[in-house]
Amino acid sequence: EVQLVESGGGLVQPGSSLKVSCVASGFTFSSYVMHWFRQAPENGIEWLAYINTDSSSTHYAETVKGRFTISRDNAKNTVDMQLSSLRSEDTAMYFCARERRDSYAHYFDYWGQGVMVTVSS
Amino acid sequence: DIQMTQSPASLSASLGETVTIECLASEDIYDILAWYQQKPGKSPQLLIYDASSLHTGVPSRFSGSGSGTQYSLKINSLQPEDFASYYCQNGLSAPRTFGAGTKLELK
Repeated sequence: EVQLVESGGGLVQPGSSLKVSCVASGFTFSSYVMHWFRQAPENGIEWLAYINTDSSSTHYAETVKGRFTISRDNAKNTVDMQLSSLRSEDTAMYFCARERRDSYAHYFDYWGQGVMVTVSS
Repeated sequence: DIQMTQSPASLSASLGETVTIECLASEDIYDILAWYQQKPGKSPQLLIYDASSLHTGVPSRFSGSGSGTQYSLKINSLQPEDFASYYCQNGLSAPRTFGAGTKLELK
C-alpha cells in the first residue's frame, strides 16, 4: 500500500525556520517525482515545489522561491522541505504528493495526510 | 501561469441527485486536466485525469468531460460520501494550478 506520512509541523514565530518531512512507503520511491503543496485554512490548494527522481532538478512557486528548499534522500525514502524566513501568510497545512508517471502530464495520485505549520508571534 | 476558474463555488444538492461542476482554463490545456475530491481534514484524492479517465477505484458515477479550455465533472446519483470539496487542476504546464474549489453540501 502506498503511504506518505508528513511530520515536523508546529507553531513558529515570524522570521524563523522549520523543516517538514515526508516518508514514503509501498512503492519504489526513487522512481517518482515528488512535490510539496499547501492549503491555508478554508483556502484552495497551492503548489509549492518539485524535485525530480535524482535531485538534479528542483522548481519552486514564486511565493516561496528563495525561502523554501526541497530535498530528498532516496536511501531513506524521504522528501523534505526546509521553510525559512517564515511569514504569517505561510500558515497552512503542508502536503507532500507523488506525481503519476505520465510522460506528458503532471497529476498527483497519492498525498500525505498533511502537517500543520502555524506562523504567529 | 494558467488560471483555472471553477464554478459554482458552492452547491447544495440532495441524495440521489446529479450535479455538474465546471472548470474554465485561461488557455487551451489539451485535455490535460485532473479532478480531485477533498473531505474535511483530509488530503485531496485524485478522481479523474486526462479530463475523462477515472483513477483506480473511483466509482463510475463520477465522470469528466470537456476539451480546450472548458471542462466539467459530473456526479450521478449522489451518495453520502460524495459531499466534499472538488478541485480541478491544470496538468499541462508549470506551475500546476488548481481551481479555487467547489464545496458540495447536502441540502
